[in-house]
Amino acid sequence: TQLLEQSPQFLSIQEGENLTVYCNSSSVFSSLQWYRQEPGEGPVLLVTVVTGGEVKKLKRLTFQFGDARKDSSLHITAAQPGDTGLYLCAGVDNYGQNFVFGPGTRLSVLP
Amino acid sequence: DTEVTQTPKHLVMGMTNKKSLKCEQHMGHRAMYWYKQKAKKPPELMFVYSYEKLSINESVPSRFSPECPNSSLLNLHLHALQPEDSALYLCASSQGIQTSGRREQYFGPGTRLTVT
Repeated sequence: TQLLEQSPQFLSIQEGENLTVYCNSSSVFSSLQWYRQEPGEGPVLLVTVVTGGEVKKLKRLTFQFGDARKDSSLHITAAQPGDTGLYLCAGVDNYGQNFVFGPGTRLSVLP
Repeated sequence: DTEVTQTPKHLVMGMTNKKSLKCEQHMGHRAMYWYKQKAKKPPELMFVYSYEKLSINESVPSRFSPECPNSSLLNLHLHALQPEDSALYLCASSQGIQTSGRREQYFGPGTRLTVT
């Protein structure tokens, strides 16, 4: 069973600060996705990374897939209160069979 | 259109009731999913339909009964639920489950279910 771990579990920062959250596994994933979920709503897909070493930017969010395709990071520059939410990474194993979610990082950006 | 819709938004039901949750997508996706999410936890996969056939059942109790009438619709029939079944029930869809391993899923807003 492929497991995804995320760190930190909780993060509370002030508006304007930078932050990085991590998604790690001991297994290789064919792709990893990042979602943001607000309370009472469904997760919203932010990005998919597929190639080892890949970097994708989405406005103030930068996503990186590790060279070995076992880990990923999400960096937010100049965080805003609207970034508050649960950030979930999810991945498909290298056989394309199993899709798993990490436990999530709960981010709170204070004005 | 990248929207997945779910109805109802909220549902309160007694343990003897029968109710159904509905999900609809018009993205031409051929895979649809039901997830259960408890507070402060990630979504847990319940069922996967691929090309309108049940592909995965993650050992879900029989009081939950999925149905896929066509490629755009997914239902979850509920009967004799327990209070511990109270959760956010999420529907999602993706292009497929076999192709390229990407399997990006698009989620609906969920149905908040309370069992009394």
